[in-house]
Amino acid sequence: DTGVSQDPRHKITKRGQNVTFRCDPISEHNRLYWYRQTLGQGPEFLTYFQNEAQLEKSRLLSDRFSAERPKGSFSTLEIQRTEQGDSAMYLCASSFRGRPQDTQYFGPGTRLTVL
Amino acid sequence: AQSVSQHNHHVILSEAASLELGCNYSYGGTVNLFWYVQYPGQHLQLLLKYFSGDPLVKGIKGFEAEFIKSKFSFNLRKPSVQWSDTAEYFCASSSGGYNKLIFGAGTRLAVHP
Repeated sequence: DTGVSQDPRHKITKRGQNVTFRCDPISEHNRLYWYRQTLGQGPEFLTYFQNEAQLEKSRLLSDRFSAERPKGSFSTLEIQRTEQGDSAMYLCASSFRGRPQDTQYFGPGTRLTVL
Repeated sequence: AQSVSQHNHHVILSEAASLELGCNYSYGGTVNLFWYVQYPGQHLQLLLKYFSGDPLVKGIKGFEAEFIKSKFSFNLRKPSVQWSDTAEYFCASSSGGYNKLIFGAGTRLAVHP
């Protein structure tokens, strides 16, 4: 169990550019979540996958955001035409649906800075 | 809609002092409750969780929390804090079998030696 990994750890981009983040969950975890955390706030839910199916998207996830989990393993989160308001820490978590009830394990996050 | 509120944004304590961090949730149905901790420079880690059963839950590093349904509360406690407990603490909830976590804004704890 190597934990949830995220890449890159830091990303600086200019407004209007596209960025993509990757999350590798704990192996055999079938649920994967994305959250966003801004300064002074707790993480906010963005979207979640069970295997390769995206089962819920938050209203926070505008049409500039898209997430995929094509083979039910790693996931990518893409932000198109970035805006300064997108600057935040993007967190990924994974869990295994079963007994005991799901516990989400978090990765280190990708810190995005939009200039 | 679910929400979680944490009473204190910043807490400063001396070593060996007792700790209680408040957490209230708003959801009328079956709820799961969690406390996560984020040490400086590290990622979120689970301290403890409550799904059902004994409302007094014990977690790692001597922490415990008590689920009081009538007060919609899940306060975190530790009888004697250490400098190494300096961190940010987040309370979170999820509803029933659905696992989207709703987090509070966090409490930043500083423990002075």
